[in-house]
Amino acid sequence: DAGITQSPRHKVTETGTPVTLRCHQTENHRYMYWYRQDPGHGLRLIHYSYGVKDTDKGEVSDGYSVSRSKTEDFLLTLESATSSQTSVYFCAISEVVPEGNTGELFFGEGSRLTVL
Amino acid sequence: RKEVEQDPGPFNVPEGATVAFNCTYSNSASQSFFWYRQDCRKEPKLLMSVYSSGNEDGRFTAQLNRASQYISLLIRDSKLSDSATYLCVVKWGNLIFGKGTKLSVKP
Repeated sequence: DAGITQSPRHKVTETGTPVTLRCHQTENHRYMYWYRQDPGHGLRLIHYSYGVKDTDKGEVSDGYSVSRSKTEDFLLTLESATSSQTSVYFCAISEVVPEGNTGELFFGEGSRLTVL
Repeated sequence: RKEVEQDPGPFNVPEGATVAFNCTYSNSASQSFFWYRQDCRKEPKLLMSVYSSGNEDGRFTAQLNRASQYISLLIRDSKLSDSATYLCVVKWGNLIFGKGTKLSVKP
């Protein structure tokens, strides 16, 4: 299995509080992604990174920010959590550019966030 | 809007059955196609890529029809361990995931 760890794995917080989820990889892959998964929706891309300090928005980026100061770490921050951000968050990595033919993303085990 | 549509299921089948999942996508410029598998409360994992000529991996066969913008996955001789949600994934720019089709294989 790809070396991806997410932390925390579970978190319960209150509306209005900041939350940071961490994704750490040991594979030295260039690309890192944050997705959220909700019932009735497919996995939806929040933000992604194509290198240190290089990030871009995905489909559902409002209310989220990211940072990547090192190749191995990609942080997702909810500045002021809302109940609509209750979800399971998956980090993923890939070793080729998105324009490449492979579609293999390696996912972390997920972080389950509940915002009360 | 980019769309990948799948029948949500659930598909409940007995062991040994053959089951087929279908998926349609809205963007004719899509570049690549995949099936991912996701076990309950686990992360998704790549099952197989889908090529224009069709491809097979053991009991699994994937087919692509670009003219109809349609992808399929056929599972033969279903096993209990095949129970999972199968995600259709299409690439244009980033990967676009369908909502998944749930399969439950019963003894």
